[in-house]
Amino acid sequence: QVQLQQSGPGLVKPSQTLSLTCAISGDSVSSNSAAWNWIRQSPSRGLEWLGRTYYRSKWYNDYAVSVKSRITIKADTSKNQFSLQLNSVTPEDTAVYYCARDQNWDFLHWGQGTLVTVSS
Amino acid sequence: QTVVTQEPSLTVSPGGTVTLTCASSTGAVTSGYYPNWFQQKPGQAPRALIYSTSNKNSWIPARFSGSLLGGKAALTLSGVQPEDEAEYYCLLYFGGVWVFGGGTKLTVL
Repeated sequence: QVQLQQSGPGLVKPSQTLSLTCAISGDSVSSNSAAWNWIRQSPSRGLEWLGRTYYRSKWYNDYAVSVKSRITIKADTSKNQFSLQLNSVTPEDTAVYYCARDQNWDFLHWGQGTLVTVSS
Repeated sequence: QTVVTQEPSLTVSPGGTVTLTCASSTGAVTSGYYPNWFQQKPGQAPRALIYSTSNKNSWIPARFSGSLLGGKAALTLSGVQPEDEAEYYCLLYFGGVWVFGGGTKLTVL
C-alpha cells in the first residue's frame, strides 16, 4: 500500500523559500515506473501541477512554465522521499500543496495536503 | 500558455446521465494526452477516477466512464447518485508537463 506523508511549515514569509517534503512508503522514489509530483490548489488558481521528478536510469525533472524559474524538486534516495523548494514566494503562492505519485499515467496516490500561507 | 477548459458547472437529476468534457487550447484531445479525471469534495484531496482516457481502478463505480468525444476528453456519469455532487477536474499531458482544467462543479438536484 503506497502512502505519501507530507511535512513542512505552514507559514512562509514573502520573498523567502517554501520547502516541503513528501515521505514515501510502499514504493521507492527510484522506481523506474513512477513519477513524483507536486501539485497545489488555491481558490484563485484552482489545481495547478507544479512539477515532477523521476528516475529512468538517471534523474529527470519537468516543471510548469508558471514556476520554472523558482522551483526545484529533488529526490532523496537515502530517506526515500522527495522535496519541493519554491523560491521568492509571494502571497499568490498561498495554497494547499499536495505531493502525488504518477504511475502509468495514473495519479492514484496523493499526500494529505499542506496549507502553506505566505504572509509576514 | 496551454489552457485546458471544462464546463464551469452542470446540473443533473438523480438517476440521470451527464457528460463532462475537457478541451485543449492546442487542438483535439487524443489518447496521447493521457486524460485523467478526478473527483473532489470539500475539504478532501482529489480522488482519482479515470486515467489514460478510459481506465479506472477497481473500486470506482461502474457508473463512471471516460472516453474521447468530439475532440475532447469526456467523463460520463450514468445513473447519477446524490453522493456524486462534487467538483470534477481533468488533467492532460503535454509532452513533459501536465495541465489541469479549471474544474466542473456538478450539482445533483
